[in-house]
Amino acid sequence: DAKTTQPNSMESNEEEPVHLPCNHSTISGTDYIHWYRQLPSQGPEYVIHGLTSNVNNRMASLAIAEDRKSSTLILHRATLRDAAVYYCILRDVGSGSARQLTFGSGTQLTVLP
Amino acid sequence: DAGITQSPRHKVTETGTPVTLRCHQTENHRYMYWYRQDPGHGLRLIHYSYGVKDTDKGEVSDGYSVSRSKTEDFLLTLESATSSQTSVYFCAISEWAGESPLHFGNGTRLTVT
Repeated sequence: DAKTTQPNSMESNEEEPVHLPCNHSTISGTDYIHWYRQLPSQGPEYVIHGLTSNVNNRMASLAIAEDRKSSTLILHRATLRDAAVYYCILRDVGSGSARQLTFGSGTQLTVLP
Repeated sequence: DAGITQSPRHKVTETGTPVTLRCHQTENHRYMYWYRQDPGHGLRLIHYSYGVKDTDKGEVSDGYSVSRSKTEDFLLTLESATSSQTSVYFCAISEWAGESPLHFGNGTRLTVT
């Protein structure tokens, strides 16, 4: 199964952009890149996903490298409420398996006031 | 927010007793998942379901069984609880497999003494 690698932690100042990286060098052509975040004492929350093209929604932007071996979640203006653990995962549609890969430990984002 | 209800929210039980956790959804989504979350391990998939009476094992399925007799309900059973099963359990749903986002419940904190 394809895996993802993320830094354990990152810091950002409030109201500044944040770029959260994710490496997935063994990604397959049918893997979607998903991002989730988890606030303390809550379940994970969907943020954004994409396949090949960059994606934008009200929460964030997802920049996908041309070779798809890495991606970056962009929070345009970090707020204190964005402090959370961010997970980058791959979800495969091509193999017929619906198994969801392990989330891993993610990146703990700290936002400084 | 996706209509996902986990019950109970907290439970303390003794080693060797059976425990059943319930996940109820109102979204009519096809896929349902059970995860556990432990410090240092991220989220790990226990079992998932791709339809009524259709289930499959995840990464850490030993000691757990599941059942799905209705679209809206997915039950996780610990036949004989052990202290290693002390964890936070999250239910998730998705409409389809790879592309559809996962939506998580708020979790059940289980303590096995």
